[in-house]
Amino acid sequence: EVELVESGGGLAQPGGSLRLSCAASGFPFSGYEMHWVRQAPGKGLEWISYINARGTDIKYADSVKGRFAISRDNAKSFLFLQMNSLRGDDTALYYCARESFHGLDYWGQGILVTVSS
Amino acid sequence: DIQMTQSPSTLSASVGDRVTITCRASQSISTWLAWYQQKPGKAPKVVIYEASSLENGVPSRFSGSGSGTEFTLTINSLQPDDFATYYCQQYNSDSWTFGQGTKVEIK
Repeated sequence: EVELVESGGGLAQPGGSLRLSCAASGFPFSGYEMHWVRQAPGKGLEWISYINARGTDIKYADSVKGRFAISRDNAKSFLFLQMNSLRGDDTALYYCARESFHGLDYWGQGILVTVSS
Repeated sequence: DIQMTQSPSTLSASVGDRVTITCRASQSISTWLAWYQQKPGKAPKVVIYEASSLENGVPSRFSGSGSGTEFTLTINSLQPDDFATYYCQQYNSDSWTFGQGTKVEIK
């Protein structure tokens, strides 16, 4: 069974950093492209980052470019999101998601990041 | 970046109704469009991919159509389990953009 489990969220101060992890299981992780998507409280979905299967092609939304960094460890089946220079509008539930020809076909349960002093 | 405009933002309907949600892309995305259903407190779930293909396990009352810049999600004979928020998403370009969402609520 495919499973994605996020961790590493919590409270951070403005200007601070957090590193999110997504543990993948139940599928050949190294063969899939992966994404991070976030959802601010009461708001819609916002795509924020993509990484290809080998980690050689990476893309970001303008809202996080230069502050966030996506990476992966295929040997351990982990996806990461390093978040720096955090701002209040980064407060959101962060999801990792797997991409297939069916779109984002599996999602984690989400992890809450709150940026506040 | 490609922008996705979804309408309406809220839709009030009754069980048994046929509902249609529209999504418009700012430029052509061929059929690289997915529709997601999200219920409160849950992660989104794909219901339609490649504009018109029904995801495994999704009831056949859901259907999608369109290509280029205009797309629709139709739910025939709305069921209680279908009351949720629906998002379109394009995956044609170097960024993956969601529409603003349509909340389907009980009339």
